[in-house]
Amino acid sequence: EVQLVQSGAEMKKPGESLKISCKASGYSFTSYWIGWVRQMPGKGLEWMGIIYPGDSDTRYSPSFLGQVIISADKSISTAYLQWSSLKASDTGMYYCARGPYYYDSGPSFDFWGQGTPVTVSS
Amino acid sequence: EIVLTQSPATLSLSPGERATLSCRASQSVSSYLAWYQQKPGQAPRLLIYDASNRASGIPARFSGSGSGTDFTLTISSLEPEDFAIYYCQQRINRLSFGGGTKVEIK
Repeated sequence: EVQLVQSGAEMKKPGESLKISCKASGYSFTSYWIGWVRQMPGKGLEWMGIIYPGDSDTRYSPSFLGQVIISADKSISTAYLQWSSLKASDTGMYYCARGPYYYDSGPSFDFWGQGTPVTVSS
Repeated sequence: EIVLTQSPATLSLSPGERATLSCRASQSVSSYLAWYQQKPGQAPRLLIYDASNRASGIPARFSGSGSGTDFTLTISSLEPEDFAIYYCQQRINRLSFGGGTKVEIK
């Protein structure tokens, strides 16, 4: 059974750093993309970036390039999303999701994690 | 960046009625378009991939059509559990999501 299990809720202050995780099981972690998607309170879905753990190929949405870092540790089938200096506007729900590899395009997402709520407030 | 525009923003229908949701792309995405359903407090769920292919376990009342810039998600007869928000997503040029259509009970 494919599962993506995300780390728990976070409450942080502006300027603090944060790294959240997404642990995959039930499939070959290195053969699928992992994507990160933000959902701000009451708003829609925003694609942040994707990583292909097989070769660490990482692609960012222009909106999030330089704002976050996406990484993966193949040895423990876990992907990460990290911030070096959080802002109040980073408050939201963050989902990881799995996507099949296509040679000519990016993925759609067939399995999703349960989401990690992040609250940034002074 | 490819912009996806979904319409209408809200669709008010009764159970048993047919729902027709639209997603328009700012440039061609070929058939590389997916549809997701999201219910309150839940993660999104993949319904349709590559414009017209139902994902595993998705009921046959959900169907997708279109190519290029214009796409449609049709729910042939709304069940109570279908009232939710629906998003489209393209994957031809980086990725992007549409703004969503809320299907609410009339």
